[in-house]
Amino acid sequence: EDQVTQSPEALRLQEGESSSLNCSYTVSGLRGLFWYRQDPGKGPEFLFTLYSAGEEKEKERLKATLTKKESFLHITAPKPEDSATYLCAVRPNDYKLSFGAGTTVTVRA
Amino acid sequence: NAGVTQTPKFRVLKTGQSMTLLCAQDMNHEYMYWYRQDPGMGLRLIHYSVGEGTTAKGEVPDGYNVSRLKKQNFLLGLESAAPSQTSVYFCASSSPPGQKQETQYFGPGTRLLVL
Repeated sequence: EDQVTQSPEALRLQEGESSSLNCSYTVSGLRGLFWYRQDPGKGPEFLFTLYSAGEEKEKERLKATLTKKESFLHITAPKPEDSATYLCAVRPNDYKLSFGAGTTVTVRA
Repeated sequence: NAGVTQTPKFRVLKTGQSMTLLCAQDMNHEYMYWYRQDPGMGLRLIHYSVGEGTTAKGEVPDGYNVSRLKKQNFLLGLESAAPSQTSVYFCASSSPPGQKQETQYFGPGTRLLVL
């Protein structure tokens, strides 16, 4: 059975304090790993897709990396506007996304 | 270009009542999906569609029905609502895997409370 586990559940950071979120997964055949950002009361917003181990993608203060068993989302020098819940999902087949429960990040000024 | 829109935004139902949630997308996507999101459980797929006139069951389909009569619309129906269906419902759409825009794009959600 496909499984996605995100840690920690919650992360409180001071502005400028870099950190990383973890997404570990077990899936029969990975056809993409996705990172989304979700603000309170809104739908998930797409950030990155990673397809193979060793791949990295960056967007502003966010950088996503992928290994064969896990993915990391690095937040460098975060700002309060980076506060959100970050969701990780894996795609084991053509249609399904299996989501983790998310990591809620709070960045204090 | 509105992306994915959902109506209504919020609804309160009594146990046993029925309702339909509407999802519309203007990105010409073939695939559409309905998810529910519950605290601590992540998003779970209810039903999905790979094209106009097609539907298929996801992980948690019981108690729900769907229809895809037009390419741009995907309807989720609750025939007899139960308190366990209290949740936030998200619609998403995408192109088929391997194509541009294969990423799933989500709507703003519908908050449903069943009393």
